[in-house]
Amino acid sequence: EAQVTQNPRYLITVTGKKLTVTCSQNMNHEYMSWYRQDPGLGLRQIYYSMNVEVTDKGDVPEGYKVSRKEKRNFPLILESPSPNQTSLYFCASTGTGDSPLHFGNGTRLTVT
Amino acid sequence: GDSVTQMEGPVTLSEEAFLTINCTYTATGYPSLFWYVQYPGEGLQLLLKATKADDKGSNKGFEATYRKETTSFHLEKGSVQVSDSAVYFCALTLYNFNKFYFGSGTKLNVKP
Repeated sequence: EAQVTQNPRYLITVTGKKLTVTCSQNMNHEYMSWYRQDPGLGLRQIYYSMNVEVTDKGDVPEGYKVSRKEKRNFPLILESPSPNQTSLYFCASTGTGDSPLHFGNGTRLTVT
Repeated sequence: GDSVTQMEGPVTLSEEAFLTINCTYTATGYPSLFWYVQYPGEGLQLLLKATKADDKGSNKGFEATYRKETTSFHLEKGSVQVSDSAVYFCALTLYNFNKFYFGSGTKLNVKP
């Protein structure tokens, strides 16, 4: 089954404790991206990657890091999480042409 | 810049009522347009899409027509069901792959 898999689904952590949210896709997609969803703000892009070793900032990259060492994986790293990063996070991927985005089921992060 | 504006919710309807969720866009080129649906606790799923002016996307009884003259892509359904209760997102992309622009989402509640 074609899918984007994120882990964990829920994460509660404390300020300053480094964490990683994993994302993996099995569709051989070149493009992957991370979004955060906040009430009233819709989805905002954090980082995206056009292919292996190619990443770039989206609209709200501050406080986040990503890496793309393999085509299928695109982890999101919070080196020093803060409460304003409490949000619902989605990983997504797409192929070429007019393919739509395929989303993971989300990771709800709470930073206290 | 490129952007999507959709009507604020929540929208509350009775079962079998007619649904319209308005979406307008601003784009520098010729975008492809999408509607995504997010059911509670899940990621976004593609509902329908249209890739050029006057195209009509349709799926599961939902329809939307790409209107270049009014820069709109309104979502409609003739008879909603309780199972349609979800958040609906309008989105566009210019297929440069680094940007999918999303509206803020419209929550639909359908009552029996």
